[in-house]
Amino acid sequence: GQQVMQIPQYQHVQEGEDFTTYCNSSTTLSNIQWYKQRPGGHPVFLIQLVKSGEVKKQKRLTFQFGEAKKNSSLHITATQTTDVGTYFCAGSGSQGNLIFGKGTKLSVKP
Amino acid sequence: NAGVTQTPKFQVLKTGQSMTLQCAQDMNHEYMSWYRQDPGMGLRLIHYSVGAGITDQGEVPNGYNVSRSTTEDFPLRLLSAAPSQTSVYFCASRPTGGRQETQYFGPGTRLLVL
Repeated sequence: GQQVMQIPQYQHVQEGEDFTTYCNSSTTLSNIQWYKQRPGGHPVFLIQLVKSGEVKKQKRLTFQFGEAKKNSSLHITATQTTDVGTYFCAGSGSQGNLIFGKGTKLSVKP
Repeated sequence: NAGVTQTPKFQVLKTGQSMTLQCAQDMNHEYMSWYRQDPGMGLRLIHYSVGAGITDQGEVPNGYNVSRSTTEDFPLRLLSAAPSQTSVYFCASRPTGGRQETQYFGPGTRLLVL
């Protein structure tokens, strides 16, 4: 079945350093969504990318969707302690269900 | 709007016990789903529903039952709890199940099966 792979599984950074997580799908995606889960919390929607090659920014966060619509990335510039959490990508499966990557857990050292 | 609510927040069960995890949403969403989250495994879909009276299996349905008698409620039943079902369970909803819709998650239920 369709799989969504996400790397790295963990990332430890010093505050102020940049951070990137990558997402790859075994099949072409109609769209990709990104979620953030704070420790002890629930996933919260961040953004959706639909178009091939699309790039969207939210303050220090930059999201990209690959030209082939099979990969995506989330880049955080100058991380802050408030960025701590697990970042998930999710693509739509054949029946419209969201298929989640396993997530990248980000820790930020002050 | 309260959004997606789940009860209980925490539960401890003994092996073989049954219980129901409650999920409700007040956004009139047609699509609802249940996920379990285990360390290093991400979110895995258990069951989902595209509307009242319609349910279907996700990736890991064994040991769980669901029903959808109303648009608002989507309970998850554990028939005979096993230690392998120790997990955090999230209920989620979105308007119609369309591929480009935002999914809203409840706060989760932390379940420990001894």
